[in-house]
Amino acid sequence: KAGVTQTPRYLIKTRGQQVTLSCSPISGHRSVSWYQQTPGQGLQFLFEYFSETQRNKGNFPGRFSGRQFSNSRSEMNVSTLELGDSALYLCASSVGHNDYEQYFGPGTRLTVT
Amino acid sequence: AQSVAQPEDQVNVAEGNPLTVKCTYSVSGNPYLFWYVQYPNRGLQFLLKYITGDNLVKGSYGFEAEFNKSQTSFHLKKPSALVSDSALYFCAVRDPVYLSGGYQKVTFGIGTKLQVIP
Repeated sequence: KAGVTQTPRYLIKTRGQQVTLSCSPISGHRSVSWYQQTPGQGLQFLFEYFSETQRNKGNFPGRFSGRQFSNSRSEMNVSTLELGDSALYLCASSVGHNDYEQYFGPGTRLTVT
Repeated sequence: AQSVAQPEDQVNVAEGNPLTVKCTYSVSGNPYLFWYVQYPNRGLQFLLKYITGDNLVKGSYGFEAEFNKSQTSFHLKKPSALVSDSALYFCAVRDPVYLSGGYQKVTFGIGTKLQVIP
């Protein structure tokens, strides 16, 4: 069974631009979560989607948004990029939510210049 | 609000010796607890979880963790460390759904770097 895939793997953008990251979960997984990983802050929860509905949101500004499609694939969008948005963005999928373990993709490395 | 603490930034252990990576948590009810490992240039991998039942949980690659409710801890252990165990380890917690009636986010610790010395 294929793992979680994320595209693109690497991205370089300039301040003020916007970016869209994509995540394809493991087949049969309905929950997708997004995290921002930085050396100083560790993994910070962005949001979680289940059955195309956002179920939870972390403490990030409204510039960060996401959505989930009927096939459980998810996209994350960041508008008006700032230098501090440079990070590894991880997507994780799980069969369900709460007591289910998450399976992580390799991440998208975003660099904002 | 729930929180997770991993008090050690780095743990060094000699190959063949037992290892412990510490984790303490704070939640409003009985938690769901997880350990993940991140190898260099790779995504996080699930190691084990505690939901309910036996306080000693066994997971992948010979790792185990002990849930201690009185000490609010969930330390990761392995009887004999391998050099290949060197990686970044994350503890995570999620409030159980029955307390909130909804979906609870996962909170991760800051991570502990494990260095196994040959």
